[in-house]
Amino acid sequence: AQSVTQLGSHVSVSEGALVLLRCNYSSSVPPYLFWYVQYPNQGLQLLLKYTSAATLVKGINGFEAEFKKSETSFHLTKPSAHMSDAAEYFCAPRGAGTALIFGKGTTLSVSS
Amino acid sequence: GAVVSQHPSWVICKSGTSVKIECRSLDFQATTMFWYRQFPKQSLMLMATSNEGSKATYEQGVEKDKFLINHASLTLSTLTVTSAHPEDSSFYICSAGGIGEKLFFGSGTQLSVL
Repeated sequence: AQSVTQLGSHVSVSEGALVLLRCNYSSSVPPYLFWYVQYPNQGLQLLLKYTSAATLVKGINGFEAEFKKSETSFHLTKPSAHMSDAAEYFCAPRGAGTALIFGKGTTLSVSS
Repeated sequence: GAVVSQHPSWVICKSGTSVKIECRSLDFQATTMFWYRQFPKQSLMLMATSNEGSKATYEQGVEKDKFLINHASLTLSTLTVTSAHPEDSSFYICSAGGIGEKLFFGSGTQLSVL
């Protein structure tokens, strides 16, 4: 079964700083990898997804992620953090036709 | 994009009562529905997978007699929490899968059991 490890349950950055949220998947390459964001008391919003078409995936709100098979990683980055980026971020693999299996999540805090 | 409507968005009920949560795919046929539960400050945990017209498949540790899932049509799935207790208080989210591996989430239901 697919699984992910999100390193760092809490990441704090200053506004304007680089955001790096780490995600490592299990050794078997999943067909799809997703990053979702969840704002307090809200549902999920899709940031981006990897579908094997390109290893560098660009998403919404300036986020991007790079799939690195050699490192079994799919880390999420953003060059310059905004206060509005403060939220919970989830990495999730998905097999063909199966459910998303979410990582434990990383809380991103942004200070001014 | 496709829309999944989940209702109600929040519900408060007394202990021992049952609560039904609906998940509708508004503009596509959802062949598969997934139900998740999220406790405060935790991740989403898959509860069950349902295919239209079939019995749901529950994840280990999820009581099928307590969390009744019905997927009677390609646009509607329901989750009924029977004889709810305070420990069932949680955020419940559905997701609907259609053709081509697309997957869409409802906005979630916050259940509070008093």
